[in-house]
Amino acid sequence: QQPVQSPQAVILREGEDAVINCSSSKALYSVHWYRQKHGEAPVFLMILLKGGEQKGHEKISASFNEKKQQSSLYLTASQLSYSGTYFCGTGGPGGNTGKLIFGQGTTLQVKP
Amino acid sequence: GAGVSQSPRYKVAKRGQDVALRCDPISGHVSLFWYQQALGQGPEFLTYFQNEAQLDKSGLPSDRFFAERPEGSVSTLKIQRTQQEDSAVYLCASSSYVQGRDEQYFGPGTRLTVT
Repeated sequence: QQPVQSPQAVILREGEDAVINCSSSKALYSVHWYRQKHGEAPVFLMILLKGGEQKGHEKISASFNEKKQQSSLYLTASQLSYSGTYFCGTGGPGGNTGKLIFGQGTTLQVKP
Repeated sequence: GAGVSQSPRYKVAKRGQDVALRCDPISGHVSLFWYQQALGQGPEFLTYFQNEAQLDKSGLPSDRFFAERPEGSVSTLKIQRTQQEDSAVYLCASSSYVQGRDEQYFGPGTRLTVT
C-alpha cells in the first residue's frame, strides 16, 4: 500500500519553514526521504529506522512515529535550493529485500 | 567517486520494438534496484538484485519485462514488444547494504517514450 504524503504542494518564501508528512496504513519499519529536481535523479536526504536510529543530512530533520505510522520531514529556514519534489519511501522489516514503496510526492517551491 | 550511471538517457521506441536499458551501479554495491516512474508520480519498484541473484521481481508489470545482472555488477532491464503504457522514466538504484537499512543511490534514469 502506497504511503500518503501531505500536503501535495507548498510554496514558501526563503527563510520560512515547512513540514511534509508521510502516513502509512501498514506498520512502519523504515522511512527513506528523497528530493528530486525536475529531470534529475532522486537524492537521498534521510533514513529513519524503527527503534530510533536516523541517518541523514545535518540541516534536515525528521521524526518517526511508530504508533501513528507516520513520518514528518522538517525543512527549516528554507533556501532556494530546497525547491523540488520530496518523496517518502517505506521499507519492510529486517530481512526484507529493501524495496521501497514511495508516496506520490510533495512539490515544494521556495521563492526569493 | 562515480555515481550510478544509466544509458541511454533517452529512448524512443515504436510500439512493438524491444528495448534494453543499462545500469552501472556504484562499484562494490551489492544491492541493485529498478524502479519505474510515471510523470508526476513517485518511483514504483520493479525488481531487486543481491549480487547476481534476482531476489524479488514482484513489481515487474508483465512477462514482457526482464532484468538481469549476470556478473553482479552491471544490470540490464529489457522490455519486449513495447507498448504505449511502458512510457516512463526507468530509474536504477544501488546500495551497499543487503537488508534495506541503508540509503539507495539513484541514477539519472532512462526516459522511454513509446510511439
